[in-house]
Amino acid sequence: DVKVTQSSRYLVKRTGEKVFLECVQDMDHENMFWYRQDPGLGLRLIYFSYDVKMKEKGDIPEGYSVSREKKERFSLILESASTNQTSMYLCASGPYRVSNQPQHFGDGTRLSIL
Amino acid sequence: GESVGLHLPTLSVQEGDNSIINCAYSNSASDYFIWYKQESGKGPQFIIDIRSNMDKRQGQRVTVLLNKTVKHLSLQIAATQPGDSAVYFCAGLYGNKLVFGAGTILRVKS
Repeated sequence: DVKVTQSSRYLVKRTGEKVFLECVQDMDHENMFWYRQDPGLGLRLIYFSYDVKMKEKGDIPEGYSVSREKKERFSLILESASTNQTSMYLCASGPYRVSNQPQHFGDGTRLSIL
Repeated sequence: GESVGLHLPTLSVQEGDNSIINCAYSNSASDYFIWYKQESGKGPQFIIDIRSNMDKRQGQRVTVLLNKTVKHLSLQIAATQPGDSAVYFCAGLYGNKLVFGAGTILRVKS
């Protein structure tokens, strides 16, 4: 069974802190994605990666960076957390260049910035 | 003071009835569409998908219909159960990126 694991379900941080969100997948997928989910706005893509050490900006990359040192792990970094980054963060993975396979999601990290 | 939030469309159905959740898309470049179900406190879970060379695909109690002429996608759930209560998202694949709809809340009344 496919598995995408996010390291924390709930996280509370302070404004200005550097925040790391971790995601691991066990499906040997090339593509990995970070989304944020806000009420009424659906899922918005922050960054994605199609290979180790490769990254691409999504629709809302400002204030975020990512790291992909190993194929199975994709980290989202909030360089200096702000209150408008309070949100649900979802990680997903999917096979590269396979157009008939879905992305699989983790259960999310609910991040609060105080 | 007052605050105004964005509200998801909500569909309320009686247990045992059929549910139809709709989704419209504007860009015809996608050749692959997916429906996801998201229960409270969980990530989106894959339900069913369809390629653009198909009009219909059936799974267990679920059917997806694709009308490319009017750019419309629907998810039909037969004999809706309380466990079907969730938010449902459609998504289209553009390149390597999924573009999601805002979602529909399905409430099942017992």
